[in-house]
Amino acid sequence: EPEVTQTPSHQVTQMGQEVILRCVPISNHLYFYWYRQILGQKVEFLVSFYNNEISEKSEIFDDQFSVERPDGSNFTLKIRSTKLEDSAMYFCASSETGDYTDTQYFGPGTRLTVL
Amino acid sequence: RKEVEQDPGPFNVPEGATVAFNCTYSNSASQSFFWYRQDCRKEPKLLMSVYSSGNEDGRFTAQLNRASQYISLLIRDSKLSDSATYLCGSSASKIIFGSGTRLSIRP
Repeated sequence: EPEVTQTPSHQVTQMGQEVILRCVPISNHLYFYWYRQILGQKVEFLVSFYNNEISEKSEIFDDQFSVERPDGSNFTLKIRSTKLEDSAMYFCASSETGDYTDTQYFGPGTRLTVL
Repeated sequence: RKEVEQDPGPFNVPEGATVAFNCTYSNSASQSFFWYRQDCRKEPKLLMSVYSSGNEDGRFTAQLNRASQYISLLIRDSKLSDSATYLCGSSASKIIFGSGTRLSIRP
């Protein structure tokens, strides 16, 4: 069964450093998403991406965040200058059509720890 | 008011019991609803989608009540492996999740 993959599984960084989290969505999917989950809290939407553009973003997704599809398979989330409060699990998801009935499949996540 | 609200639990029930969770949503524009299962420190995995009044898949039944803006999940004949956190989500495009309901099945 096709699945979303993410690398690395765990990233430790110093406050103020830049990090790039990588995702490979399911190959025939066209819509991509990033969510985050701070430990003990709910899964929160960050951003959705389609046709090389951001479709929607949340208030969390400020100027420190950016997304990119650098090639035909990868989808990345960059945090320019990490803060302690960016420590969380970051999940990538993809869906085939982006329709509201369409299932979003989640990757295993990257645990980001900011020291 | 939170967009999606769930009882956080934990629900602790014996194996074989029937357990039900409720979830309320505030955005009347939401078109579809989901129940995801999340194991500790793992990704959410889709359990069921609900678009019309309800959906059934084996031991799991999801119901949607648009008038009252709530979704329910019923698990019959619960197994030890059902122990997890159950996330309710509503979607008009992105998924808005509730905080999750923890379920623990005891032998």
